[in-house]
Amino acid sequence: AQKVTQAQTEISVVEKEDVTLDCVYETRDTTYYLFWYKQPPSGELVFLIRRNSFDEQNEISGRYSWNFQKSTSSFNFTITASQVVDSAVYFCALRGVKSNYQLIWGAGTKLIIKP
Amino acid sequence: DVKVTQSSRYLVKRTGEKVFLECVQDMDHENMFWYRQDPGLGLRLIYFSYDVKMKEKGDIPEGYSVSREKKERFSLILESASTNQTSMYLCASSTIQRVFSYEQYFGPGTRLTVT
Repeated sequence: AQKVTQAQTEISVVEKEDVTLDCVYETRDTTYYLFWYKQPPSGELVFLIRRNSFDEQNEISGRYSWNFQKSTSSFNFTITASQVVDSAVYFCALRGVKSNYQLIWGAGTKLIIKP
Repeated sequence: DVKVTQSSRYLVKRTGEKVFLECVQDMDHENMFWYRQDPGLGLRLIYFSYDVKMKEKGDIPEGYSVSREKKERFSLILESASTNQTSMYLCASSTIQRVFSYEQYFGPGTRLTVT
């Protein structure tokens, strides 16, 4: 069975603080793909990043960075110097190579950035 | 840029009405998906389609049906709306044309209220 756990239901920080959103996954597939999405208050989910299981390099994109660790089955997302515009619900998702097009979604973490 | 559009942002219907939610994507994607999103439950897959006239049930298909007569259009049908179908409905699409690219692209969502 495949599963994605986002244990943090809600996180609240003050602007300019760094914040890390946790994502832990379970899969028996040796090849799989992990994703992060952002859902701002407007409602539309926005794709942020895809990571393949055979590529463990961490990724940085501006203030965003992702730490993929197969040893702990985690794919954590860090926002550096957070801004109010980062306030959103963030979802982590998993696709196994045999999963027939579907993504397995975490429950989401609501991030509140206070000015 | 991928564009996924949904016919309505907000919809109010009465119990027992037949409801059509339309989704159109302009990127020639093969796969299309319908989700519902409820507080605390994350995204749950209702149906998906991997080709014209092809469909597969997701996790919560009861009370819903779908139609895909053209590649770009995927409709969700509530045959007889009930109050427990009040929710946010999200449409998504994805392609198999780019290797390792399985991310889904989402529309803005339709917030349906059944009274």
